[in-house]
This record gives sequence, structure tokens and C-alpha cells, in this order.
Amino acid sequence: AQKITQTQPGMFVQEKEAVTLDCTYDTSDQSYGLFWYKQPSSGEMIFLIYQGSYDEQNATEGRYSLNFQKARKSANLVISASQLGDSAMYFCAMREPNNAGNMLTFGGGTRLMVKP
Amino acid sequence: DTAVSQTPKYLVTQMGNDKSIKCEQNLGHDTMYWYKQDSKKFLKIMFSYNNKELIINETVPNRFSPKSPDKAHLNLHINSLELGDSAVYFCASSQYGTGGNEQFFGPGTRLTVL
Repeated sequence: AQKITQTQPGMFVQEKEAVTLDCTYDTSDQSYGLFWYKQPSSGEMIFLIYQGSYDEQNATEGRYSLNFQKARKSANLVISASQLGDSAMYFCAMREPNNAGNMLTFGGGTRLMVKP
Repeated sequence: DTAVSQTPKYLVTQMGNDKSIKCEQNLGHDTMYWYKQDSKKFLKIMFSYNNKELIINETVPNRFSPKSPDKAHLNLHINSLELGDSAVYFCASSQYGTGGNEQFFGPGTRLTVL
């Protein structure tokens, strides 16, 4: 069963506007971690932001913030003031403590395209 | 300075061949991983390895085997390559733990099996 769901295969956003990329997850653990990665067309995986399940405040890193709604099991990524360089694939991932080996389970990704 | 490096970047080979991909990290991390990204961009964990144990994703065929000569290296060996093995393979590393220990990824190796 898919544990991480990203329902938006592709999205467009106008430059300088904010955009929200959706991510929902499924776990029975109380302790887990949620990550967002960016993959530009060049192919590398770039870490953006992390949210722990016990963190009371939403994580923020520059123009990135994570809208964490634990009861709804959602961890949406918000990018403010979109830039052309934000055009990329974005992946949500989860790490569960019972998932031996510290491994990440990834969602299917969302391709974001920023229009000038 | 490259944190996680992989060689080669591109690998084209015939079905049935055996090949290896090398991975090195200079971050001092204790855990390394291999992921496979298919043509639809879906990322799937293959292995997790630290100095204590190797964890294998149960869906990975036993033709794939990781080999770690030391903590900084985790190489991927693939025997009897098949067409379906064509993908991008990413190596990653992190500190083992339950906090915000993000995984740092290598640049990927694009494997094409003809």
C-alpha cells in the first residue's frame, strides 16, 4: 500500500506567486519524519525541509515552509515567491522508526513548472 | 568538495552482463543507501547499510548486491543485467537516527541495458 501520496502529477505557477504541493502519508507510528526533496532537470536530489512528527511548529527554510497537519496526515510544501529556478520535480518522503534501516519512502512526485 | 560521489555517471551495457557502480561519501556518515529511480521518476529504496547491518528491500532481486569495503563506500553490483534494470541509481548517505538527519544524495548513475 502506498504510504506517501502526492496527488498532483504536475502544476503550473506564475513567477512570484506562492504554490502549495500536496503530500499525504499513512503510518501507524507516532514518531516519524517527513522530508521534501527537489529534483531539477539536471537530476540531482536536493534536500529542502524536514518536519518531525513531534515538532509543534511548522518547519520553515527560507522560501520553503511545511504545512503540517498531523490529524489529517498531510505535510504540504509551500513555496513562496516562486522563481523560474523552482521548476523541478518535488518529492515528499517519510522515515518511520519501525522501518528498519532508516530508509525513506518516497511519493510519486509533483512536477512544478514556473511560468514567467 | 563533492559530498556523495558516484561513478560512472552513465553506464550502457548488454543484457546478461555484470556491472558495478561505485559510491563514496566524505561526510563521515555511518549509513549509506541505494535507491532506484525508474522512467516514471518513482524512487524506491533498495538497500540501507551501516556498520551494524544490511537491510534489503524485499522486492530487490538477489542479482543486486551491495558491497561496502569501508564506512565511506557502498558499491552496487548487478549480475545478469536485464532490460528492466534500466534506471537511474542513486547512492545516498546520512547519520542513522530519528531526527532530521537528511539523506545526502549522489548525482546518480544512469544505467541503460540494451
